[in-house]
Amino acid sequence: DAKTTQPPSMDCAEGRAANLPCNHSTISGNEYVYWYRQIHSQGPQYIIHGLKNNETNEMASLIITEDRKSSTLILPHATLRDTAVYYCIVRAFGTNAGKSTFGDGTTLTVKP
Amino acid sequence: GAGVSQTPSNKVTEKGKYVELRCDPISGHTALYWYRQSLGQGPEFLIYFQGTGAADDSGLPNDRFFAVRPEGSVSTLKIQRTERGDSAMYLCASSSTGSSEQFFGPGTRLTVL
Repeated sequence: DAKTTQPPSMDCAEGRAANLPCNHSTISGNEYVYWYRQIHSQGPQYIIHGLKNNETNEMASLIITEDRKSSTLILPHATLRDTAVYYCIVRAFGTNAGKSTFGDGTTLTVKP
Repeated sequence: GAGVSQTPSNKVTEKGKYVELRCDPISGHTALYWYRQSLGQGPEFLIYFQGTGAADDSGLPNDRFFAVRPEGSVSTLKIQRTERGDSAMYLCASSSTGSSEQFFGPGTRLTVL
């Protein structure tokens, strides 16, 4: 699996958009970008994934650059409950995709 | 519906002892994954099952670690002769056929004294 690079920490004001960047310059053509978050003492929670088109769901939006070498997770209106570690990973799609390779993620702190 | 469950939630043991950690995946999920997470780091892959067989065990650190999934559902991670360095959060995840979205359990916090 391709390696991803994320800033170790970010702050965001409550109610503002949180934009979390991720670099994945060695991503392969069959690999998707996945985002998870982990709130203290809990297991990681799936947020969103995408291949090359921008994606949006009830939790977040995912913007993937045209060359697919980087992406940005957007939380449109951050709340205090969004404080967590956010992980960007890349992996092939499908049941046999196998393991996920996590980096150390970005610790997002949402401040009142 | 019920998510992935793991038992126990916390396990404290002494160096040299044997421990078993249990994972109950989401019903019907064919793939099951074990990860280990040390404080301040991301989860580290240990082993992946597709059905009853281990499809990838390349992350197991040494032969003290072993995992089984005899009926293709519940899995047990077994650690022999525990060492203080084995202390970590052990996470289990599962996914369904045709999907690579992994659903994680709450983890088992293992402390080796």
